[in-house]
Amino acid sequence: EVQLLESGGGLVQPGGSLRLSCAASGFTFSSYAMSWVRQAPGKGLEWVSAISGSGGSTYYADSVKGRFTISRDNSKNTLYLQMNSLRAEDTAVYYCASFLWIGGTMDVWGKGTTVTVSS
Amino acid sequence: QSVLTQPPSVSAAPGQKVTISCSGSSSNIGNNYVSWYQQLPGTAPKLLIYDNNKRPSGIPDRFSGSKSGTSATLGITGLQTGDEADYYCGTWDSSLSAHVVFGGGTKLTVL
Repeated sequence: EVQLLESGGGLVQPGGSLRLSCAASGFTFSSYAMSWVRQAPGKGLEWVSAISGSGGSTYYADSVKGRFTISRDNSKNTLYLQMNSLRAEDTAVYYCASFLWIGGTMDVWGKGTTVTVSS
Repeated sequence: QSVLTQPPSVSAAPGQKVTISCSGSSSNIGNNYVSWYQQLPGTAPKLLIYDNNKRPSGIPDRFSGSKSGTSATLGITGLQTGDEADYYCGTWDSSLSAHVVFGGGTKLTVL
């Protein structure tokens, strides 16, 4: 069974940093692109970033470009999102998902981890 | 303001059919495949439709998708109370830099 399990969320002050992780199991992790999507409280979905299976190609939403870095460790079947210079508007549930380049489709989703940016 | 436009809410009675529209432009829907996601209350989103009209394994054929020009539509037949959820469309957008965009979401109420 394909499973994605996010961790690393929590409360952080504005300007601070946080690293999210997403542990994958049940599929050949290195063969799949991966993505992060977030959802602010009471709001809709917002795509954050995507990375190719090898890690060689990355894409970011304009709202996080230059502050967030997506990466992966295929030996550990783990996806990461390094978040720096956090702002109140980054407060959201962050989901990782397997990603299909054609159509920009999020195939399988994790349950999410909550990030709260507040002083 | 979302790049893709969806109605905020739709409603219908159990057993009936409902459609949810998703309107975009040539930089997104017009030149890319569309996906649809279902988010039940308090849960993570789930993929319902990809490549405009394909259903992942396990998704019943009550759910269907179509695309015409710069708009896409999700159809749900034989509505059940368990279908009450938020529904989102999504696709690539290549207007400035390549990125994925979503609609604002549509709340389906099964009366």
